[in-house]
Amino acid sequence: GDSVTQMEGPVTLSEEAFLTINCTYTATGYPSLFWYVQYPGEGLQLLLKATKADDKGSNKGFEATYRKETTSFHLEKGSVQVSDSAVYFCALENAGNNRKLIWGLGTSLAVNP
Amino acid sequence: EAQVTQNPRYLITVTGKKLTVTCSQNMNHEYMSWYRQDPGLGLRQIYYSMNVEVTDKGDVPEGYKVSRKEKRNFPLILESPSPNQTSLYFCASSPRGSRRPSTDTQYFGPGTRLTVL
Repeated sequence: GDSVTQMEGPVTLSEEAFLTINCTYTATGYPSLFWYVQYPGEGLQLLLKATKADDKGSNKGFEATYRKETTSFHLEKGSVQVSDSAVYFCALENAGNNRKLIWGLGTSLAVNP
Repeated sequence: EAQVTQNPRYLITVTGKKLTVTCSQNMNHEYMSWYRQDPGLGLRQIYYSMNVEVTDKGDVPEGYKVSRKEKRNFPLILESPSPNQTSLYFCASSPRGSRRPSTDTQYFGPGTRLTVL
């Protein structure tokens, strides 16, 4: 079945450092790919998405490119801020799954001033 | 403000005492679903609903019931809670309920942290 694997955390960075969180997936066909973020004490918010190969999703300085050849959707940000401290989830939605999202286990990010 | 709301946000209860976690959305969305989040297991779907009066089981439906009598509400019912249902629960909604691929965003509620003693 479909699955998502993302790098384990926690990831600790200093402010203004470059961030990469790796995400790879296994799925048939052409799933839609998502990054969700969970800030402390809050729910899940969509950060960005890409719905077809080579699409780049972007939001709040974060970017991720849908790479079908490597089945990856890595999250990047050029300069992180303390306010980016959160848990980041990679997820996919595929045809035939009744709109169910398949999730990675999440990567915790802590940004120090 | 467009949102998904859940109540209660936190609940501590005892084994066997029936409870309901409410979920409501004000966006006229067709699709709604419930997930539970557990350490090491991630988020798993419990039930989903494509539209009013249409519900179906997700991956971990045992011990749960749902209903969808109105478009905006999708309550999660635990008839006889057990300690293994201690978890963080999320409700989600999305504009369209379709079995075909969708690019719609799924919007999540703030979560309900349930502890069953």
